[in-house]
Amino acid sequence: AQSVSQHNHHVILSEAASLELGCNYSYGGTVNLFWYVQYPGQHLQLLLKYFSGDPLVKGIKGFEAEFIKSKFSFNLRKPSVQWSDTAEYFCAVKGGSQGNLIFGKGTKLSVKP
Amino acid sequence: GAGVSQSPSNKVTEKGKDVELRCDPISGHTALYWYRQRLGQGLEFLIYFQGNSAPDKSGLPSDRFSAERTGESVSTLTIQRTQQEDSAVYLCASSLEPVDTQYFGPGTRLTVL
Repeated sequence: AQSVSQHNHHVILSEAASLELGCNYSYGGTVNLFWYVQYPGQHLQLLLKYFSGDPLVKGIKGFEAEFIKSKFSFNLRKPSVQWSDTAEYFCAVKGGSQGNLIFGKGTKLSVKP
Repeated sequence: GAGVSQSPSNKVTEKGKDVELRCDPISGHTALYWYRQRLGQGLEFLIYFQGNSAPDKSGLPSDRFSAERTGESVSTLTIQRTQQEDSAVYLCASSLEPVDTQYFGPGTRLTVL
C-alpha cells in the first residue's frame, strides 16, 4: 500500500534559521507530490506541488521542494524562516490514476521570534 | 471566488446517534473528496466522487459511514450509530478535475461523547 512518511513530528527553530522538512513516499509508479500547510485556525492550503518537469519546485512564501525520484523523497526547504511560518505542514502523494491524496502525519513547525 | 464550505463547523453528539455533515464544493469542480483527521494523525481518505461515476468508497472505515453527492454539487457524509472513535475533524476537498489541485474546506469537528 502507498504511504507517506514525515520524519519530524515537531520542529522548533529560531527566526532566520534554515528549514528542511523530510518527506518520503512509497509508490513505484508516476506520482504527483504536494505540500500543504495549515496555519493556526485556518484551512489547509497548498504550498507547492510537483507534477512533472523540473524537480525543484518553488511555492508560495519562499518555500521550495526537491523531488528526488531515486530516493522517493520530496523534502521541503526554506532558507530563512519567519515567525509567521509557524504552522503544521503536510506532505501528500497521489499515484497513477488514483483520485485521492495519501497524506503524511504532518510536521508541526514552531518558529521562535 | 467562494471556496469549499462545510457545515456545521462543530458537532457534538452522543454515542449511538446519527450525524450528517455537509460539503459545498467550489462551483464547477467535478471531483469531491472526504477525509478525516483524528488527533495527532494525518488526513485519512474516506470517499471520492468524480462526476457521474460510481464513487470510490475504498476508504470508508465501516458500513456505518456513507456519503452522497447530488450531481456536481453538494455532498453529505452520514455516520450512523456514532462511536467515540469517530471523533475527528472531517474535511472535504474539491478539484476541477481529478488530476488537479485539491482545495480544502474548513472542516467539521465531530465530538462523540
